[in-house]
Amino acid sequence: AQKITQTQPGMFVQEKEAVTLDCTYDTSDQSYGLFWYKQPSSGEMIFLIYQGSYDEQNATEGRYSLNFQKARKSANLVISASQLGDSAMYFCAMWYTTGGFKTIFGAGTRLFVKA
Amino acid sequence: ETGVTQTPRHLVMGMTNKKSLKCEQHLGHNAMYWYKQSAKKPLELMFVYSLEERVENNSVPSRFSPECPNSSHLFLHLHTLQPEDSALYLCASSLRARKDYNEQFFGPGTRLTVL
Repeated sequence: AQKITQTQPGMFVQEKEAVTLDCTYDTSDQSYGLFWYKQPSSGEMIFLIYQGSYDEQNATEGRYSLNFQKARKSANLVISASQLGDSAMYFCAMWYTTGGFKTIFGAGTRLFVKA
Repeated sequence: ETGVTQTPRHLVMGMTNKKSLKCEQHLGHNAMYWYKQSAKKPLELMFVYSLEERVENNSVPSRFSPECPNSSHLFLHLHTLQPEDSALYLCASSLRARKDYNEQFFGPGTRLTVL
């Protein structure tokens, strides 16, 4: 069965420090994609970063990087130099095609950045 | 301003009412999605439309009826809802409904309360 697990309901980080948000996944598909989204208190979902299952290099987008360890089925999000505006919910998601077009999301991690 | 807009932003309705949620994307995308975000549950994909054709229906009750008249507009018609249907309904769009590099852009959501 396809599954996304985010085990950290909440995380605190000091401003300007780096933080890692955990995500593990389970799928029988050979080809899939992993995403991270940010959801501020205003409610909109903001795309952060994407990693394809066949991508050999870890994805990076500015201060965001995805630590993709395929054998361990993990896709952790690393935010470097945290800013107060990074305080939000963060969702890990996976796209796969078994049984049709599917996207599943994890339960989310709420990140609090302290000044 | 986001390329995906949703109206209304907030909706309160009784169980016997009929209402519709509207989503519009100005990004030239060919795929659109409806998601449901309930408290304490992961984000759930409800429907996927690709080039105005529904390609995915994730066992959503028939009281939710989607409509995609063209690639820029997506509706979710609601009738005889239940209180447990109260949630944030998010619309998203992407260039294509495919598993590879499929960045989805989300609207701000409609906060629905069913009394």
